[in-house]
Formats: sequence, C-alpha cells, structure tokens
Amino acid sequence: IAGITQAPTSQILAAGRRMTLRCTQDMRHNAMYWYRQDLGLGLRLIHYSNTAGTTGKGEVPDGYSVSRANTDDFPLTLASAVPSQTSVYFCASSTGSWNEQFFGPGTRLTVL
Amino acid sequence: EDQVTQSPEALRLQEGESSSLNCSYTVSGLRGLFWYRQDPGKGPEFLFTLYSAGEEKEKERLKATLTKKESFLHITAPKPEDSATYLCAVQEGRRNDMRFGAGTRLTVKP
Repeated sequence: IAGITQAPTSQILAAGRRMTLRCTQDMRHNAMYWYRQDLGLGLRLIHYSNTAGTTGKGEVPDGYSVSRANTDDFPLTLASAVPSQTSVYFCASSTGSWNEQFFGPGTRLTVL
Repeated sequence: EDQVTQSPEALRLQEGESSSLNCSYTVSGLRGLFWYRQDPGKGPEFLFTLYSAGEEKEKERLKATLTKKESFLHITAPKPEDSATYLCAVQEGRRNDMRFGAGTRLTVKP
C-alpha cells in the first residue's frame, strides 16, 4: 500500500535521552518534511528535504537533526530530549517542494 | 510576520446546516493555499489547492474559494462524517515551507 509510515506510533522518553523517529515513503516523492503539532499552535515545520542528500531548517529546528541518505527515508533525531519536545510529530512528503503534501499517521512523543 | 489565521476555532452544526470556515493570510507572493482535513489521532488529509484569487474547487459537500486575503471552505448540508478539524496552509513563493493555521474543529450533530 503506497504511502508514508512512521515509527514508533508512540513513545515515552526520559529527558536527556536520544531518540530517532523514523519515516519511510514509497511514493518516490522528492521532498520530505517533519512537523510538530501542538494544541492551539497548529503544525510547525521542523526540517525539510527537497531531494535526497539535501536538508534545510524550518520554523522550529533547534534540538532536532535530520538526514536524507536516500529518497525513501527521512529520520528525525532528538539528540538530548527535553520536556518541551513533547508533541505529536508528523512526517510528510510531496512530489515537489511547492506541491500538496501527504502526511504519515504521526508519532506521539512524551518527554518526562 | 507572515500569518495564517483560521476562524472560528470551533463550529458546531446540525446535520444539513450549511456554513463556512475562514482562513485569512498575510503573505506576499502567495504560491498556493491548501486545505486539509484531520481526523482525531490521524495525519492531515489533503483536500484542495488554490493558486489564484477567484479560483474555486469542489469535492462532494465541500467548496473552497480564494480571494487576495482569505479563503473560505463552504460546507453544504453537512453530515456527521464531515466532523473533523480543517486546516489551511499557505505557501509563499520565496519560501520552502508551508505555514499552517491552527485549524477549525467542526462537529456535525445528527
């Protein structure tokens, strides 16, 4: 089934721990994105990648890093988690950087 | 600062009671305005893209329209299954990112 998968579905993490959220798409889309969604704030872009091998910073990049080694995968890493990173994280992809985006099911992350 | 504002925050309708959701934006050089639907616990689902003032798109009971400063999502004779949060997002020509509004939570009662 074509689409975007994210793992894990949910995670509870101790502050200071390192965590990688996984995102894989099988639509051969060039562009991929990571957002966080917080109540009342809407979706905010963390990092993006217009094509494999390139990445860029979004609106709220601090504390997060990404890599894009191939077209399909776009992992998001929290090097040292803090409670303010408690959120729902969505990965998305699009055929081009200015086209509609397709979203994964999300990862609910709680940092204690 | 570029902003995307959606109103109302929440809307409760009776089944069959038509209404409109608003998305106002302040960006220069709009490249596209997008509408998404989001069900609880799920990722946003793409509905429409509008590119220029005067453009309209329709899908079942939904119709999206665009002016130079705002977009409306009209819901005609809604059904309970239309209950969801509706998000709008704008993309500015010089930016790579898409700016989202906080959404309108729609509840349709039978």
